[in-house]
This record gives sequence, C-alpha cells and structure tokens, in this order.
Amino acid sequence: QSVLTQPPSASGTPGQRVSISCSGSSSSIGRNTVNWYQHFPGTAPKLLIYKNNQRPSGVPDRLSGSKSGTSASLAISGLQSEDEADYYCAAWDDSLHGWVFGGGTKLTVL
Amino acid sequence: QLQMQESGPGLVKPSETLSLTCTVSGGSISSSSYYWVWMRQPPGKGLVWIGSIYYGGRTYYNPSLKSRVIISVDTSKNQFSLKLNSVTVADTAVYHCGVAYYDSSGRVYWGQGTPVTVSS
Repeated sequence: QSVLTQPPSASGTPGQRVSISCSGSSSSIGRNTVNWYQHFPGTAPKLLIYKNNQRPSGVPDRLSGSKSGTSASLAISGLQSEDEADYYCAAWDDSLHGWVFGGGTKLTVL
Repeated sequence: QLQMQESGPGLVKPSETLSLTCTVSGGSISSSSYYWVWMRQPPGKGLVWIGSIYYGGRTYYNPSLKSRVIISVDTSKNQFSLKLNSVTVADTAVYHCGVAYYDSSGRVYWGQGTPVTVSS
C-alpha cells in the first residue's frame, strides 16, 4: 500500500483535459512540495512537475500542477495519444526522512 | 544534465546479497549540490524509496528495509552503490538510482532502472 493515494486509472479523449489527484498526510504533502513523474515501463521516470507547479525545461505548459493542504493534482490539457502512460506523485516525508510515492495512475487516451 | 546508469546482476538467489551500482556522468558525485537516492518498483506495484546518501556520507533508509540495506559512495569511480542482504522473492523489483538537488526545488531525477529477480 502506497503512502500517497492516487486513483489507479484515468482516461480522456484527445483534446480533453484530465486531472489526477494525489492525497497525502501532514508529514508529507502537508509540509513539503510535490513532484509528478511520467513513467513508461523500462525507462527512467520523467520529472514533469516539481515544487508543486514548476515545470523543468522541455515540459509543455499544457501540463500543470497544484497543491492544497495535504492534496495535490496534476492536470493535462489538450490530451494527446503520447500522454498515455503511468503517472506518479512524490513528496518528501518528514517522519520518514525520505521520499514517499503514490501508487501510480494509468492514463488511457481513448 | 546529470545522467545515471544502474548496473548489477539480474538474478540473485534467496538469502544472498543484492549489489547494484549507479554510475554518474555529467557531474561530480562529490558535489554538495546533490544527494543520491535508490528506489524500487516490484512487479505490478508502485514505487518505494529505499534510501539516500548525502554529502559527507550521512545515510537515511526506509524503516522497512533499514536492517538489510547499505548505501555507499565511491568518489574515485563517481559511483554510488546499494547492498541489500538476506534477499527474498519479495525483493524482486526494478531498481532505480536517482539524484536529488540539495536545494528548495525538491527536484529528483531517476535512471532507467535495472530489473533484479530473486530466485533459486
């Protein structure tokens, strides 16, 4: 069981906007920032969002992140077939003194 | 940008020690700007942080693995390593090494991972 809670699946049609939620605790998301990763099996998880809503260079602005209290979300607008992947949230946990992750959300583009 | 590549045996017998190495390129493992991390993903499951090693050698481990894990750095080879002893089939996973920026950004970048199977 993962420390952060994500829905196991999400879906949308091309061009739509989808949102993926991530719920944590006061020791994780409540006190620290959230990262979001895109993962294709067999490859390196790609950092999409850091510090709740910051995008590394090269990540398109149709991806955005937000955080409120002990929850965070990743939004993808203008959905494309190439967005079909697994998405994970991550946050530092003060009680663990380490990183905690969500269980992952499999995004399907219909 | 820093890049990392994991290496090590893909098959380990139960009760033996799993040993993996992460080779870092594009930057120095001795830099105080980063710290180094291992995580794993068991088949069909989510990501799990294993532990981290900081500049100066300070380490932190996941409590669920702490009694079996050692993470260390070899500055001469620009590598860091993971040793997990007394492995069982539950340790079968893809193991990823990563670099975390020691600033307020919270950025962590990961390698592509290496699969390890525990089986006799």
